[in-house]
Amino acid sequence: AQKITQTQPGMFVQEKEAVTLDCTYDTSDQSYGLFWYKQPSSGEMIFLIYQGSYDEQNATEGRYSLNFQKARKSANLVISASQPGDSAMYFCAMREGFGNEKLTFGTGTRLTIIP
Amino acid sequence: NAGVTQTPKFQVLKTGQSMTLQCAQDMNHNSMYWYRQDPGMGLRLIYYSASEGTTDKGEVPNGYNVSRLNKREFSLRLESAAPSQTSVYFCASSGHLTDTQYFGPGTRLTVL
Repeated sequence: AQKITQTQPGMFVQEKEAVTLDCTYDTSDQSYGLFWYKQPSSGEMIFLIYQGSYDEQNATEGRYSLNFQKARKSANLVISASQPGDSAMYFCAMREGFGNEKLTFGTGTRLTIIP
Repeated sequence: NAGVTQTPKFQVLKTGQSMTLQCAQDMNHNSMYWYRQDPGMGLRLIYYSASEGTTDKGEVPNGYNVSRLNKREFSLRLESAAPSQTSVYFCASSGHLTDTQYFGPGTRLTVL
């Protein structure tokens, strides 16, 4: 079974609209962390936001928020007021357990913002 | 503060050639990682180093070796390159194993 599933290969969104990128995960660990990274066309991986499994509040960082639904094992990224600069690949990743080095990545969603 | 730097940015090799990818970080991080990114597959961990002096295999270590030269530098070596190693290689670092990983700009490697 896939550890991280991103079901949207590509999305097109009108500028200024909010966008939700889906991510579901599979783990039997109680302690884990969920990450979102952005990869623009220039190729670098940019860290956006982190949610720990024990965090009770949804994480927020500026225009980014993480809609964490633990019972459903989903960690969707919400981008408010989208901008052309948000056009990029977005990857969801998970670290399982404590002291575990391994990040497991999803296959990504390509987001295109239409001006 | 450059963060994580990688050299070279691009490289073309012939099958059987060897090369070393260099990575350095200036964030005083303890842990460093090497990933490869292939189309449609996300990133996969090749090797990591939890701290200076230690290295461990990740998900796809075959065909690679690593050296943690000091706290700042972590290199990845391909002893005998194969076309299957054509990929984009990313180095990352974190304060500790459970901290957020920050990535370098990547090296695009083509093996003919």
